[in-house]
Parts: sequence; C-alpha cells; structure tokens
Amino acid sequence: DAGITQSPRHKVTETGTPVTLRCHQTENHRYMYWYRQDPGHGLRLIHYSYGVKDTDKGEVSDGYSVSRSKTEDFLLTLESATSSQTSVYFCAIQGEGNNQPQHFGDGTRLSIL
Amino acid sequence: SQKIEQNSEALNIQEGKTATLTCNYTNYSPAYLQWYRQDPGRGPVFLLLIRENEKEKRKERLKVTFDTTLKQSLFHITASQPADSATYLCAHLPGSARQLTFGSGTQLTVLP
Repeated sequence: DAGITQSPRHKVTETGTPVTLRCHQTENHRYMYWYRQDPGHGLRLIHYSYGVKDTDKGEVSDGYSVSRSKTEDFLLTLESATSSQTSVYFCAIQGEGNNQPQHFGDGTRLSIL
Repeated sequence: SQKIEQNSEALNIQEGKTATLTCNYTNYSPAYLQWYRQDPGRGPVFLLLIRENEKEKRKERLKVTFDTTLKQSLFHITASQPADSATYLCAHLPGSARQLTFGSGTQLTVLP
C-alpha cells in the first residue's frame, strides 16, 4: 500500500471553529490532492499541490485553504467551519506521469455541529 | 464542463455471474478513464486504466471497455464473488490536466 496517512480519522467540532486536517506521505510524490466525498456527489476536488509551496484550487475550494511546506505534508484548513463542510475528506498522492493512478488515504470523517 | 455519470442505483447480482457497471461521459472523449474500488470506511483503490485508443483492458477477472462512439466505459467482473461487493468509481482524466473528475459510484452487492 502507498504510504499515506490522514489525521485525525474522526473529528467533531462546532460551527465557527478552525479545523486543520493533515495528510502525510512517505512516497516522496510531488502531487497531492484533497477531496471531499458526500452522498450523491462522489469525490470532489478541493485543492491540490504540485510541489512545495505550489498549490491550486479545485472544484469546491471556497471556505478551504491549504499549505505545503514540506514534500511529505499537505494540510487542509477550514478557517471557520460551517455545517455544510460536514463530510468525509480524502487525501490522495500521485506519481509523475499524467496517467498515473492516485493513491488515497482512508479519510477523515468531519462533523460540524 | 465534462460530466461523468454512473448508474446511481445499487446493483445486486448472484455469485458466479458477471457484473457489468456503466460509466458515461457527456462531452469530449477523455484521454484516460480510471476505475477504482471503494470499501466502506476506506479510501478508493485503483483497479484499471484504459486509454482513449484502447478498446479493452483486462486484469484477472476484471475487464474494462471504452467506446468513444457511445461515450461509455463498461466495467465487468466475471465469476463474481461476495468479496467483490463494494462501490466502484470511474474517473476521467483529460490528457492535458491532472485533475481527476469522479463519477458518484455504483454500489455492487454480490449475493452468495
């Protein structure tokens, strides 16, 4: 299995609080991704990174920010969480080459009350 | 924009039969289509990739076809087993970009 871990695995928090999710990889891959998965919507891309300090927005980036200060870590931050951000969040990594598959972590289940 | 559509209804089949899942895309033909398997509480796991110029790809009991005329990919599991029960996702990747677009998945249950 690709070396990718997400933390925490579960989190419950209140509306308006900041939340940071962490994705850590041991594969030294340049490309990393954050998705959210909701019933009926499938996986939707939030942000992605193509190197240290190089990030870009995905389809559903509003309300989220990311940072990548090291190759192995990609952080997703909800500055002020809202109930609509209750979801399961997945991180993925990808090797070089456009047709390379993405390898996913096991997700963070985030509930915002 | 490109949309990927999978049959959102769950598919139940009997053990030993062939399961066939459908993935349709709406606009331009993607350079690649990928298929993933997702088990409850886990992240998706890559299964197969098929290129635009390939008609068929096989891996053990899995087979994927790509029909650019119908704008459709079919995913087959032959001799299905209860362990094949999962949600299967298709995803397209335009040749010039790295952003995968996923379908919402089809939940397959193989009944013993």
